[in-house]
Amino acid sequence: SQQGEEDPQALSIQEGENATMNCSYKTSINNLQWYRQNSGRGLVHLILIRSNEREKHSGRLRVTLDTSKKSSSLLITASRAADTASYFCATLWAAGNKLTFGGGTRVLVKP
Amino acid sequence: SAVISQKPSRDICQRGTSLTIQCQVDSQVTMMFWYRQQPGQSLTLIATANQGSEATYESGFVIDKFPISRPNLTFSTLTVSNMSPEDSSIYLCSVVEGRTGNTIYFGEGSWLTVV
Repeated sequence: SQQGEEDPQALSIQEGENATMNCSYKTSINNLQWYRQNSGRGLVHLILIRSNEREKHSGRLRVTLDTSKKSSSLLITASRAADTASYFCATLWAAGNKLTFGGGTRVLVKP
Repeated sequence: SAVISQKPSRDICQRGTSLTIQCQVDSQVTMMFWYRQQPGQSLTLIATANQGSEATYESGFVIDKFPISRPNLTFSTLTVSNMSPEDSSIYLCSVVEGRTGNTIYFGEGSWLTVV
């Protein structure tokens, strides 16, 4: 299985702190994508990082990718209560367009 | 980014019945997928919806249980047949947008509860 794994499974922080979550995967990828899901809703696409990229920024988000370790991290800086959600990494298979999801990290940002 | 609309957004269904979920995209897309997210779990790919041909199902999912239609490049349906409580999940439609480097976008999901 190419399913990724995320850690931690859950994270509780105070508003203003940074939140970091990690994702590992098993085989070759085309790209890795991070998503946010608010409770019971659809997935919101946050950021895509290609296999030949090492770091990418979008607003308060910073994503890194280490293909030698088959891992990625998502950093949310200066967190806000509205960042409370589940975050999923998903890898796009090198051989096609199928996304395989990690288990997700539940983030709680306390005001 | 592609805008994806799903209907229904939420429904409560009786055991043994079937429900069809619709997915409408605001632009033509080559690839559409259907995912299932069981309560508290991550997403699992059910199938790839192929335009003009039968869907391609992942291991553990069969056409009799999850028939899929894809009549054109902007629309697809997923039917959950003969439902049982184990089918209570969020079902999500997703599309690949090649203009943004194979970014995959999701609809808001259809939250089904089977009683």
